[in-house]
Amino acid sequence: AQSVTQLGSHVSVSEGALVLLRCNYSSSVPPYLFWYVQYPNQGLQLLLKYTSAATLVKGINGFEAEFKKSETSFHLTKPSAHMSDAAEYFCAVSDDFGNEKLTFGTGTRLTIIP
Amino acid sequence: DVKVTQSSRYLVKRTGEKVFLECVQDMDHENMFWYRQDPGLGLRLIYFSYDVKMKEKGDIPEGYSVSREKKERFSLILESASTNQTSMYLCASSPDYRSDNEQFFGPGTRLTVL
Repeated sequence: AQSVTQLGSHVSVSEGALVLLRCNYSSSVPPYLFWYVQYPNQGLQLLLKYTSAATLVKGINGFEAEFKKSETSFHLTKPSAHMSDAAEYFCAVSDDFGNEKLTFGTGTRLTIIP
Repeated sequence: DVKVTQSSRYLVKRTGEKVFLECVQDMDHENMFWYRQDPGLGLRLIYFSYDVKMKEKGDIPEGYSVSREKKERFSLILESASTNQTSMYLCASSPDYRSDNEQFFGPGTRLTVL
């Protein structure tokens, strides 16, 4: 079974600073990888996904993530944080091909300091 | 756009009550999922269904059951609600295994059991 580790349950950055949220996965084959965002009292919304095409994936709201097979990582970045980025972020990995389940990390709550 | 709706945003029930949480999706997706979300634990899969009348246990099925009589509707049932089932419940759907496993989420139901 897959597992996902998100380093840092809480991350605070100043408005305008770089956002870096870390995600590492365990997998013997390149999986599908996802970042979802959850705003307060809402469901999860897809930010971006890696599906074995380009290793640098661009998503909504200026976020991007780079798939690094050698490091089994899929870190999420944004060059300049905005107040509206305050939310909880979840990394997820697919199970083996043909299995529809996703395994989610425990989440990282991002706080933006004015 | 895919739309996943959940019958209630907030629900308050008493210990021992039978509780039904309903989820409906409008994109003819084969797969549907129920998760619970708790602080620090991320999303944990309760049950999923890959076809009408088909279901499989997830990671934490104890105390829950599900029903899928129609393709668009997936119900989560708490046979006898307990206080430790107070949580946020999220429903999701996805197309069949030929897709990239992206899941589409509803807005969630925050259940409080008193």
